[in-house]
Amino acid sequence: AQSVSQHNHHVILSEAASLELGCNYSYGGTVNLFWYVQYPGQHLQLLLKYFSGDPLVKGIKGFEAEFIKSKFSFNLRKPSVQWSDTAEYFCAVRIYGNNRLAFGKGNQVVVIP
Amino acid sequence: EAGVAQSPRYKIIEKRQSVAFWCNPISGHATLYWYQQILGQGPKLLIQFQNNGVVDDSQLPKDRFSAERLKGVDSTLKIQPAKLEDSAVYLCASSSAAGDEQYFGPGTRLTVT
Repeated sequence: AQSVSQHNHHVILSEAASLELGCNYSYGGTVNLFWYVQYPGQHLQLLLKYFSGDPLVKGIKGFEAEFIKSKFSFNLRKPSVQWSDTAEYFCAVRIYGNNRLAFGKGNQVVVIP
Repeated sequence: EAGVAQSPRYKIIEKRQSVAFWCNPISGHATLYWYQQILGQGPKLLIQFQNNGVVDDSQLPKDRFSAERLKGVDSTLKIQPAKLEDSAVYLCASSSAAGDEQYFGPGTRLTVT
């Protein structure tokens, strides 16, 4: 079964610091990759996704993610975080042709003003 | 555009009782998903509907969980009887078609005592 690993479950950083969240998956075939974000008190919402093409994907609010096939990774980055980026971030993987999304355990990110 | 609606938002029951959750997807969305999110983990797919038919229920504990989407619009997820380990947030999501972006509702937080 496919699995999704997210490390450093709790991340605390100051405003303007850079953020990188790691995501690794175990499936060796073609995959679709997603990062979802859940702000305090809000719904899960899509931050960005990768299906094919340029492995560097840009999403909303200045976030980007890079797909490295050889490393089975899809790491999320933001060069300079803001207090409003405090949220929980989930990586999700879908095997191409399958509808099921497999989520990682999430990263709880707290940005200190 | 109205989002995915869920009710109730919170529910507390005793073990061995039954409970039902309701979801109304985004208008026109053919695909509906129910996820279980246990504290500290990512969402796990329980069941996926395409219109009123079940596409994937391989992770649904069928001895106690059931779900239906009779008219291909709203859906109900039921647990009978509940166990302590069912305490979780139950998320409903919908997409216009299988494989498209999933939009999540606010979830129902269930506590089983």
